Amino acid sequence: GAVVSQHPSWVICKSGTSVKIECRSLDFQATTMFWYRQFPKQSLMLMATSNEGSKATYEQGVEKDKFLINHASLTLSTLTVTSAHPEDSSFYICSGVARSGANVLTFGAGSRLTVL
Amino acid sequence: QKEVEQNSGPLSVPEGAIASLNCTYSDRGSQSFFWYRQYSGKSPELIMSIYSNGDKEDGRFTAQLNKASQYVSLLIRDSQPSDSATYLCAAGALVRGQNFVFGPGTRLSVLP
Repeated sequence: GAVVSQHPSWVICKSGTSVKIECRSLDFQATTMFWYRQFPKQSLMLMATSNEGSKATYEQGVEKDKFLINHASLTLSTLTVTSAHPEDSSFYICSGVARSGANVLTFGAGSRLTVL
Repeated sequence: QKEVEQNSGPLSVPEGAIASLNCTYSDRGSQSFFWYRQYSGKSPELIMSIYSNGDKEDGRFTAQLNKASQYVSLLIRDSQPSDSATYLCAAGALVRGQNFVFGPGTRLSVLP
């Protein structure tokens, strides 16, 4: 089945630094990647939708200059948390949709970010 | 606004019993529905998809869809402690590339 590889699985950084999270679709071409954030015991919150080769569409309340999303190819999308602060500590999950076949979301394993 | 609703639980069932998880959705135009299982600290994993009215069975899991009532359910037979997780119901996107609408999830606890 479809696999999305997400790295790193966990990262600890100092406040003010930037962190990049990568998601790769290993066996399918993902025309669309969705990025979610999830706080403990809460539901998934969609942050942005990225389509290959175009600018990401951010949900209301998500700062596009803080959460930089790049989807330069059909197999790679990245999320960069810039100038991270402790309140950005969360579980970040990507998911991809293939360009053909079943319209199903395949999730990456998630990245747990802790900002000190 | 498109919404998917679920009882947040927790739903507790004894080991070996049938767990019944329910979900309603607001958009009558939704055509595809999914159940994802999410263990604590992990990302969601797809366990069932259903597109037509009626039942769909896969091992111990049975998904049921009733489009007239805008209702989706998931039955887990012979529940095991390893089934303890949060179950997310999702209504699929009408157009490829649109986000799926997720419910808040139901936390299931299977007691040994």
